[in-house]
Amino acid sequence: AQSVSQHNHHVILSEAASLELGCNYSYGGTVNLFWYVQYPGQHLQLLLKYFSGDPLVKGIKGFEAEFIKSKFSFNLRKPSVQWSDTAEYFCAVLDTGRRALTFGSGTRLQVQP
Amino acid sequence: DTGVSQDPRHKITKRGQNVTFRCDPISEHNRLYWYRQTLGQGPEFLTYFQNEAQLEKSRLLSDRFSAERPKGSFSTLEIQRTEQGDSAMYLCASSFSTTSSGRETQYFGPGTRLLVL
Repeated sequence: AQSVSQHNHHVILSEAASLELGCNYSYGGTVNLFWYVQYPGQHLQLLLKYFSGDPLVKGIKGFEAEFIKSKFSFNLRKPSVQWSDTAEYFCAVLDTGRRALTFGSGTRLQVQP
Repeated sequence: DTGVSQDPRHKITKRGQNVTFRCDPISEHNRLYWYRQTLGQGPEFLTYFQNEAQLEKSRLLSDRFSAERPKGSFSTLEIQRTEQGDSAMYLCASSFSTTSSGRETQYFGPGTRLLVL
């Protein structure tokens, strides 16, 4: 069965600091990977996705993620965070047979002004 | 707003009562998904529909849970004889895909928060 591990449960950064959130997955089929973000009081929104091709994918609001097949990782990065990036971030892998997303437990990011 | 909508947004019920939630997907999306999210966890898959057909159900979906999508548009999720362990956020998502391969993106609604007393 597939699984997703997010190592950082709670991250606190100052504005302008660089961000990297870890995500490791376990899945035996074709990999489709996602990062979703949930801002306070809002619903889950897609940040970026990887299906195939260039392993470095760019998403909204300056976020990017790198797919490293050999490490089964899909880490999220942003060079300079803003207070408005305060949110919970979820990594997910799609089971292409069952059409089910498997999510990690999430990382709560708190950016201090 | 043309995103996924869910109703109600909040539901408080007593143990043993039945509850029903509704989800309206993004227009023309042929796939609809239900997930459940508890505090401190990521969403967990419950079931999905392609058009009106329910094609996959998780082991999390006990006999007390039933989902329908009768006309391939909106969907309902019913929980019978609710238990305190059913307290969670119930999320609906939708997507559009014409193939059996990946390359589809699921878009989520705001969720229905259920509290069973």
